[in-house]
Amino acid sequence: AQSVTQLGSHVSVSEGALVLLRCNYSSSVPPYLFWYVQYPNQGLQLLLKYTSAATLVKGINGFEAEFKKSETSFHLTKPSAHMSDAAEYFCAVSRNAGNMLTFGGGTRLMVKP
Amino acid sequence: DGGITQSPKYLFRKEGQNVTLSCEQNLNHDAMYWYRQDPGQGLRLIYYSQIVNDFQKGDIAEGYSVSREKKESFPLTVTSAQKNPTAFYLCASSISPSSRETQYFGPGTRLLVL
Repeated sequence: AQSVTQLGSHVSVSEGALVLLRCNYSSSVPPYLFWYVQYPNQGLQLLLKYTSAATLVKGINGFEAEFKKSETSFHLTKPSAHMSDAAEYFCAVSRNAGNMLTFGGGTRLMVKP
Repeated sequence: DGGITQSPKYLFRKEGQNVTLSCEQNLNHDAMYWYRQDPGQGLRLIYYSQIVNDFQKGDIAEGYSVSREKKESFPLTVTSAQKNPTAFYLCASSISPSSRETQYFGPGTRLLVL
């Protein structure tokens, strides 16, 4: 069965600093992986997804993630944090049947001025 | 504009009452999903539907029911059997049930118990 672990339920960075949000997955087959962002009291918005093409995936708002099979990781990065990046971020893996997503517990990103 | 709408934004339930959350999409997507989000936790799958007139239980289906009579609509009923219904409910859809397809989410409904 697939599972997702997000290390760090809260991450705080200064504006302009590097953002690194960690995601590790377990899957018995090559996975499809997703990063979503959620602003308070809103739905989820797709940032990027990995579907077995390039291992470095670029998404919206300057975010990118690298799929590392040997480390079973799909960490999300952004070179320079903006105040508007403050939100909750979810990593998810797609199960093989029916496109059901298994989500990690989420990481709340705080950006200090 | 194409998208997913959920109503109401806030819903209050009394003890022993069934309530229905609406989810409508005009994206012409085949697959639709319902998730529950509790504070500080990730999303958990309640029910999903790969095609009209078909739906399957997810990980936490007890106390919930759904129908899929129309392609664009996937209402969720929270029954009185659900003893802890207070949560944020999110509906999603994807163009097909293929594992590589993106799920698009609605704005959510917050359910509170009186």
